[in-house]
Amino acid sequence: QVQLQESGPGLVKPSQTMSLTCTVSGGSVRSGDYYWEWIRQRPGEGLEYIGYIYYNGNTKYNPSLKSRVFISLDTSRNQFSLSLNSVTAADTAVYYCARGLFDTYYYGVDVWGQGATVTVSS
Amino acid sequence: ETTLTQSPAFMSATPGDKVTISCRASRDIDDDINWYQQRPGKPAVFLLKEASTLVPGVPPRFSGSGYGTHFTLTINDIESEDAAYYFCLQHDNFPPTFGGGTKVELK
Repeated sequence: QVQLQESGPGLVKPSQTMSLTCTVSGGSVRSGDYYWEWIRQRPGEGLEYIGYIYYNGNTKYNPSLKSRVFISLDTSRNQFSLSLNSVTAADTAVYYCARGLFDTYYYGVDVWGQGATVTVSS
Repeated sequence: ETTLTQSPAFMSATPGDKVTISCRASRDIDDDINWYQQRPGKPAVFLLKEASTLVPGVPPRFSGSGYGTHFTLTINDIESEDAAYYFCLQHDNFPPTFGGGTKVELK
């Protein structure tokens, strides 16, 4: 049974770059059957899709964050990572890593991580 | 971007009740909607896909319906363990978007 676990600093200063890593256990990021995704939820708001990376390195980002986001894959460690630069207080959120089903078409998230809280503050 | 309007935001139910949660899409998304349950501090759980297909292992008291722009999640004979946050996700177009969520409390 695949499990996803987020890790990374819980506190980031404004204007800096935040980074989170998702470790995948019970499955492989090399699989072509899935997207590896990041999603966030800001306080008092709904969930927001950030973007995904595919096993071949292809990425796609939400246009609302595209200029500041980078998602990468580390197949040797079975991990994928999120970087978000020039952060502000508005980026304070719970960040989730997730796995999305893909079979010539995207079928949505099937597995979620527990979430990691990131606070942007000086 | 497709907006999903989920209602109600909060509801209180008694064990044994039938509970219905609605998700309305701002455009036609066929049946490209999934439903999830999240308990505090736990990963969200995948309940239903393609509007009405129960994910293996999910109790049959959960069901879904709808097509196009209006979708519902129904919990029949709700149990105390069903107290959680429920939300929908559309995957018809990019970016995927989410309903605002429903917190279900059990009395």
